[in-house]
Parts: sequence; structure tokens; C-alpha cells
Amino acid sequence: EAQVTQNPRYLITVTGKKLTVTCSQNMNHEYMSWYRQDPGLGLRQIYYSMNVEVTDKGDVPEGYKVSRKEKRNFPLILESPSPNQTSLYFCASRGFSGANVLTFGAGSRLTVL
Amino acid sequence: KQEVTQIPAALSVPEGENLVLNCSFTDSAIYNLQWFRQDPGKGLTSLLLIQSSQREQTSGRLNASLDKSSGRSTLYIAASQPGDSATYLCAVRGSQGNLIFGKGTKLSVKP
Repeated sequence: EAQVTQNPRYLITVTGKKLTVTCSQNMNHEYMSWYRQDPGLGLRQIYYSMNVEVTDKGDVPEGYKVSRKEKRNFPLILESPSPNQTSLYFCASRGFSGANVLTFGAGSRLTVL
Repeated sequence: KQEVTQIPAALSVPEGENLVLNCSFTDSAIYNLQWFRQDPGKGLTSLLLIQSSQREQTSGRLNASLDKSSGRSTLYIAASQPGDSATYLCAVRGSQGNLIFGKGTKLSVKP
């Protein structure tokens, strides 16, 4: 089944403890992206990647890092999480041919205490 | 900077009604527009994608239209059902490839 898989789905952590949210897609998509969703603010893009080793900042990149060493994986790294990074995070991917439909993962709910 | 607005923010209708959700965007230079559905606490499911050269797309009871020159899109839902209750998001894709989302319309269909 074609899908975007995120892990963990739920995480509670403490301020300053480094964490990584993994994202993997099995559709051979070139484009991958991370979003956060907050009440009243909607979905905002954190980082995106057009292909392997190519990443760019979105609208809210502060406090986050990403890497794209392989086409299928696009992990989101929080080096020193803070409470304002408590949010619902989504990974998404799409190809550059065909309908270009953006496919989302199920989301990762992160709480930073 | 592209801004996407969805009106209304929330809508409650009785089952069986036909309804229209609105999406407007400030920069008409878009590549495509996509409508999504989001159930509470869940991910986004793509409903319809309209390329900039298209005027509308249909899938079952859903019909999405696009008027690029006026910066508007509508999502028409025919014969609404309680299972249609969800938040509907529209997103526009610019030339740089990133998607800009509206804040969504929360739809409640009452039995």
C-alpha cells in the first residue's frame, strides 16, 4: 500500500532532550515536506526537500533540522525541544509527474514539558 | 506573499443538504489547488486536485471549481451525510512548489 509513515505517533518529552520524528514514503516521491498544525494557526510548513540532499526552509524552520540522505526518508530533528514546539506534526510527499497529489502521513503529536 | 482564506470557519447543516465551501487566495499565479479532508486528530486525505489550467474536478458527490483570475475556489458537496463531518482544507501550490494552506472549514452534518 502506498503510504507515508511517521513515527512516533505520540510522544511526550522534556525541554532540551533531543528527539527525532521519522518519516518514510514508499512511492518513490521526490518531494517531501514537514508541517506543524496548531489551533488557530492552521498548517505551516517547517522544511521541505525537492530531492536527495536538497532541503529548504519553509515558513517556520526555527528550532528544527532535517536531512534527506535517502529518497524515501525525511526525518525531522528537534535538537533542543521547547514547550512552544508542542504541536501536531505531519510529513507529506508527492512526485513530480502525474497528478502531483500531496500524500500525508497520519501525524505525530508531540508534547514538550 | 500568498494568503489563503476559507469562509466560513464552521458550518452546520442538516443531512441531505447541498453545500458550498469557499476558498480564496491572494496571488493568482498558482500551479494547482488541492482540497483536503481532515478528521479529528487524523491526517489529511486528498479529495480533489485542480491544475491551474482546469476549471473544475469531480469525484462522486464532490465538485471543486477554480477561478484563477478572481482567486477563488469552491468545494460543492451534494446530498450531505453525517459521514461528511470533518474539517475541509484548501491549499494552493505556487511556482516554488510549496503548499500554502487555509485554516479550514469545520463542517458538521446533523442526522
